[in-house]
Amino acid sequence: SYVLAQPPSESVAPGKTARITCGGNKIGGKSVHWYQQKPGQAPVVVIYYDSERPSGIPERFSGSNSGNTATLTISGVEAGDEADYYCQVWDTRSDHRGVFGGGTKLTVL
Amino acid sequence: QVQLVESGGGVVQPGRSLRLSCAASGFTFSTYAMDWVRQAPGKGLEWVAVMSYDGSNKYYADPVKGRFTISRDTSKNTLYLQMNSLRPEDTAVYYCARGSDGYQGAFDYWGQGTLVTVSS
Repeated sequence: SYVLAQPPSESVAPGKTARITCGGNKIGGKSVHWYQQKPGQAPVVVIYYDSERPSGIPERFSGSNSGNTATLTISGVEAGDEADYYCQVWDTRSDHRGVFGGGTKLTVL
Repeated sequence: QVQLVESGGGVVQPGRSLRLSCAASGFTFSTYAMDWVRQAPGKGLEWVAVMSYDGSNKYYADPVKGRFTISRDTSKNTLYLQMNSLRPEDTAVYYCARGSDGYQGAFDYWGQGTLVTVSS
């Protein structure tokens, strides 16, 4: 099965830039979606199709995907960005299965 | 506005069954693939199952294949997850989510989740 690897945690000071990676075999050939989940809440999509931003998501959130790594970048980090972030792809090699990364806990110092 | 409301969770003994429901509103239910995603306490997200917009295709994660069945009733705008032979490791919050673009798109709307606890 297809595996996505994320660092368990990242820390960043307010106003700085956070980069959260998602590693997978030739992930650059897949579409990557990113979700933000705050405690006690359902996930919210913040980036879809590698780099598209849904309406209502600040421009501070951006994404890229190439080779074996996809990256979620949050510029000018704010305290409210502290959350768990998950990457997700579809594995369609044999059938259709959703795959999530293990999640990254972003701490704003 | 799009709303997804799950129900049916609770405490169940190992080996027993439970059926979850997800009532959808605010969009044309019959034109979207729908998914179930779960999250064990303190753990990450785990995709469970997807059903195509017309119900013709269903796919499952390996841990639930053969035990769980996803279905939908378009007349009621409701998605279901029939869970049989439940195991303690099935304990989780179960979310229904809308697939924005078939089997490629993101989950653009989520319900609030319903907690299933499998314990004797």
